Amino acid sequence: EAGVAQSPRYKIIEKRQSVAFWCNPISGHATLYWYQQILGQGPKLLIQFQNNGVVDDSQLPKDRFSAERLKGVDSTLKIQPAKLEDSAVYLCASSSLLAGGPPYEQYFGPGTRLTVT
Amino acid sequence: AQSVTQPDIHITVSEGASLELRCNYSYGATPYLFWYVQSPGQGLQLLLKYFSGDTLVQGIKGFEAEFKRSQSSFNLRKPSVHWSDAAEYFCAVALNQAGTALIFGKGTTLSVSS
Repeated sequence: EAGVAQSPRYKIIEKRQSVAFWCNPISGHATLYWYQQILGQGPKLLIQFQNNGVVDDSQLPKDRFSAERLKGVDSTLKIQPAKLEDSAVYLCASSSLLAGGPPYEQYFGPGTRLTVT
Repeated sequence: AQSVTQPDIHITVSEGASLELRCNYSYGATPYLFWYVQSPGQGLQLLLKYFSGDTLVQGIKGFEAEFKRSQSSFNLRKPSVHWSDAAEYFCAVALNQAGTALIFGKGTTLSVSS
């Protein structure tokens, strides 16, 4: 079974520029999460999708961050314009709520390391 | 609000020695509890999880954790540490609802000395 795929793995941009991250979850996983992990901290949820609908985006800075999950599969997270404090690793995770799968277990991708200069 | 505390930022143990990483949570009911490991440049890998039942749970790579309701703790243990265990360890909780996102602690960095 293929894992969660993310690209790019690394990105360096200047402040005020825009950037986009892509995530392809495990096939059949209905729930997709984007987490932000700042150096020295644990991951923090940005947004959660169930199929192509948003379940929780309460911690997403909506003035600069946006995310979509078209067709309930792949997802894109965008930052525009970026700030220095957006430097972090952006992790995508997916989970399955279907019968036969372990509930609440999330599978994480390798992350995208963003550096804003 | 729910929270997870990992009191130790950095721990160093000798190879072959035992290990215990502490985790305390704050939540009105018993949440679902997890331990993840993150090696440099890698994503998070699930070590073990507790949902209900036996309070001592076994995980991968020889790790185990014990849930203590009275102490709101879920400490991770390993009887004999290997050099390859050096990594960052995160405790996490999820509310007792399907598909709820994880709330992570700040992590404990484990160094293994020879």
